[in-house]
Amino acid sequence: QKEVEQDPGPLSVPEGAIVSLNCTYSNSAFQYFMWYRQYSRKGPELLMYTYSSGNKEDGRFTAQVDKSSKYISLFIRDSQPSDSATYLCAMSDNYGQNFVFGPGTRLSVLP
Amino acid sequence: DSGVTQTPKHLITATGQRVTLRCSPRSGDLSVYWYQQSLDQGLQFLIQYYNGEERAKGNILERFSAQQFPDLHSELNLSSLELGDSALYFCASSVSRGASGANVLTFGAGSRLTVL
Repeated sequence: QKEVEQDPGPLSVPEGAIVSLNCTYSNSAFQYFMWYRQYSRKGPELLMYTYSSGNKEDGRFTAQVDKSSKYISLFIRDSQPSDSATYLCAMSDNYGQNFVFGPGTRLSVLP
Repeated sequence: DSGVTQTPKHLITATGQRVTLRCSPRSGDLSVYWYQQSLDQGLQFLIQYYNGEERAKGNILERFSAQQFPDLHSELNLSSLELGDSALYFCASSVSRGASGANVLTFGAGSRLTVL
């Protein structure tokens, strides 16, 4: 079993849709959870960052962490064509040094 | 601009050659991470340095080596290059966030290596 699993997609949605992106993980030592957005052939950029379980909202983006289920989600409301990218989940342990990335989900938002 | 600088942006070379990729971390960041991303693949962790010392090693080939210098910039050396080494190579540096001491990674724009 891989340490972090993520549906690779591609996921295509119409503009304005609500998008749900998910990752599951196996290592209960993970405490910090991140979502990165990567445009084609560009460096990943940090979207959201959460610690332990709970929700965090930033504009159209909401990150959820359920440590009991080892499941994290990123919701994008009112999706825009500019949201078309690959979304990578990432997590690290309590020391914030050991980072593990999911393989990424490719999202296309169609105008 | 993320604050992490990588050079060169693009590099084309031949099999068997050796190249050096350079990374300058964000001001104040002590950790540098190197990742490899082949076409349509995920990020593969290669190696991490913290304040000049090797901290963690991932799936880094013996043909590859890295170091972090006293000014905290880092270099990734790739030798005896093969076609399969063609990829994007990313450097990232870590940023402390709040009293928890948590870190997140800030990535550079990457160096695209093509081996012909």
